[in-house]
Amino acid sequence: EVQLVESGGGLVKPGGSLRLSCAASGFTFSPYSMNWVRQAPGKGLEWVSSISSSSSYIYYADSVKGRFTISRDNAKNSLYLQMNSLRAEDTAVYYCARDTKSVDWYFDLWGRGTLVIVSS
Amino acid sequence: DIQMTQSPSSLSASVGDRVTITCRASQNISSYLNWYQHKPGKAPKLLIYAASSLQSGVPSRFSGRGSGTDFTLTISSLQPEDFATYFCQQSYSTPLTFGGGTTVEIK
Repeated sequence: EVQLVESGGGLVKPGGSLRLSCAASGFTFSPYSMNWVRQAPGKGLEWVSSISSSSSYIYYADSVKGRFTISRDNAKNSLYLQMNSLRAEDTAVYYCARDTKSVDWYFDLWGRGTLVIVSS
Repeated sequence: DIQMTQSPSSLSASVGDRVTITCRASQNISSYLNWYQHKPGKAPKLLIYAASSLQSGVPSRFSGRGSGTDFTLTISSLQPEDFATYFCQQSYSTPLTFGGGTTVEIK
């Protein structure tokens, strides 16, 4: 089955760190750009970060720049998001999302998400 | 950043109804507009890309129109499985941005 499965969410104190993972299966992971998108409680979707297939191009939303780091391991079919200096406003469900092969900047496959709660 | 405004934020409709959701961009985005369906606890699903292209496997009752700043998603005959939240997203430039969502509820 073609799928993305996120993990690593949980409760963390403000200022803390967390590393999210996204495991891809059922398709060849390496040719695709990958993304993280989040949804805060009661809010809309917010794009967080993108990484190209070979990790040559990386982009971040201003809200996370300097605090979050996206990475991938094509040998392990996995995408990661290292989140440091977490704030209450980072509380959200974090989704892993696949771009198209031609990097069209829309997402044709999503995971179910992992919940991150930043609270003391 | 390009702001995406959806309307309405929610609507109530019955099975068989024709439903139209609107998305407006704060600047010209040509046809770089995509639509997603999201149900609670599930992975969001791509419905329409490039404003009017139907994603593979998506029922033909879904259609998209528009270009420039004004776009619509239409469900021609609402089915029970269509009750969900719908989001638009611009892919014209980074940061990629989404509309606030439209929740379609059962009347």
